[in-house]
Amino acid sequence: EAEVAQSPRYKITEKSQAVAFWCDPISGHATLYWYRQILGQGPELLVQFQDESVVDDSQLPKDRFSAERLKGVDSTLKIQPAELGDSAMYLCASSRRETQYFGPGTRLLVL
Amino acid sequence: KQEVTQIPAALSVPEGENLVLNCSFTDSAIYNLQWFRQDPGKGLTSLLLIQSSQREQTSGRLNASLDKSSGRSTLYIAASQPGDSATYLCAVNQGGSEKLVFGKGMKLTVNP
Repeated sequence: EAEVAQSPRYKITEKSQAVAFWCDPISGHATLYWYRQILGQGPELLVQFQDESVVDDSQLPKDRFSAERLKGVDSTLKIQPAELGDSAMYLCASSRRETQYFGPGTRLLVL
Repeated sequence: KQEVTQIPAALSVPEGENLVLNCSFTDSAIYNLQWFRQDPGKGLTSLLLIQSSQREQTSGRLNASLDKSSGRSTLYIAASQPGDSATYLCAVNQGGSEKLVFGKGMKLTVNP
């Protein structure tokens, strides 16, 4: 069964450093989402792509976060510089119709 | 702004009990509602999706119902097992944008 792939699974970094996360959606899924999940909370959407275009990035802290999906397939989420409050699980999901399929996530710890 | 609430935040039960997990949302203009399971440190697994025009969906021991007018959904788990221990999240899709708005989840522990 096809799955959403994410890497790395875990990342520890110091504040003010740059970090990047990668996501490979299920083949054929045009819509890709990045969510952030703080411990004990539900995921919150950071950015949504339809093919290579950004559909919604209203909750993305654009002063430090950037996301791209250059060829409309895999995607990269970057944080620069990282802050202590960025410690969270970063989840990628993809969909073709209504059901969103989630990857295993990248757990980020900023020290 | 849509808000999704799940109460209680945690539940501990003995094995074999039938369970009802609750989810409420403030804006009844939803496109669909989805229930997810999340194991510790892992991603989300979709359990059931209910369209706004549907009343319920079933998968094995799981049954989810939707009452859109009252802004409520329930997830029923029959004959709970220790393997059901996880956090269960409810999420609503407002339609069009396909953005999911999640509750904070309910942590379920089923004791053998």
